[in-house]
Amino acid sequence: QKEVEQNSGPLSVPEGAIASLNCTYSDRGSQSFFWYRQYSGKSPELIMSIYSNGDKEDGRFTAQLNKASQYVSLLIRDSQPSDSATYLCAVGDNQGGKLIFGQGTELSVKP
Amino acid sequence: KAGVTQTPRYLIKTRGQQVTLSCSPISGHRSVSWYQQTPGQGLQFLFEYFSETQRNKGNFPGRFSGRQFSNSRSEMNVSTLELGDSALYLCASSSMTVTEAFFGQGTRLTVV
Repeated sequence: QKEVEQNSGPLSVPEGAIASLNCTYSDRGSQSFFWYRQYSGKSPELIMSIYSNGDKEDGRFTAQLNKASQYVSLLIRDSQPSDSATYLCAVGDNQGGKLIFGQGTELSVKP
Repeated sequence: KAGVTQTPRYLIKTRGQQVTLSCSPISGHRSVSWYQQTPGQGLQFLFEYFSETQRNKGNFPGRFSGRQFSNSRSEMNVSTLELGDSALYLCASSSMTVTEAFFGQGTRLTVV
């Protein structure tokens, strides 16, 4: 059973701080990794994808991947109250079109 | 470019009935996958279609089925509805396998 684990939170950070979200996965052969943001009552929105070891930056977001440790993280710099949402880590299943999701981490950014 | 469109947005059905949900992917995307989201189980994969062929199926009973048409639009059907089928059903489209997948707004199904 391939699994993706996240801390459920809630993670609370003050406005302007760095929020760090973590994810581990069980299948060492996984090749594709994604972070989604989901606001309450809405559908998941893709915010980052990463396929190679190292860091990938997009605006205030940085995704980090370490395949040897089977670990993916998302850093949100200068956190804003509008970043308050549930962040879902997803890992692509190499057998076709399937994403395996973690349970999500709830982030709360306090003004 | 239009996003993924799911219809209807909300449904209320009675136990024992069946329901059909529809998904129109982003233009040019050939892969459509379906997920069920509940507070207790999170996002769980139902099945994925690519060029009208089901390539992968999750661990759901046979009451859950789907299909994809030649224009890549997809439908999923749930027969003999149970109370536990109440959930948000999400469709996602992508251009290829295990690349970036974009979700529709979902269909909120309530079974009473």
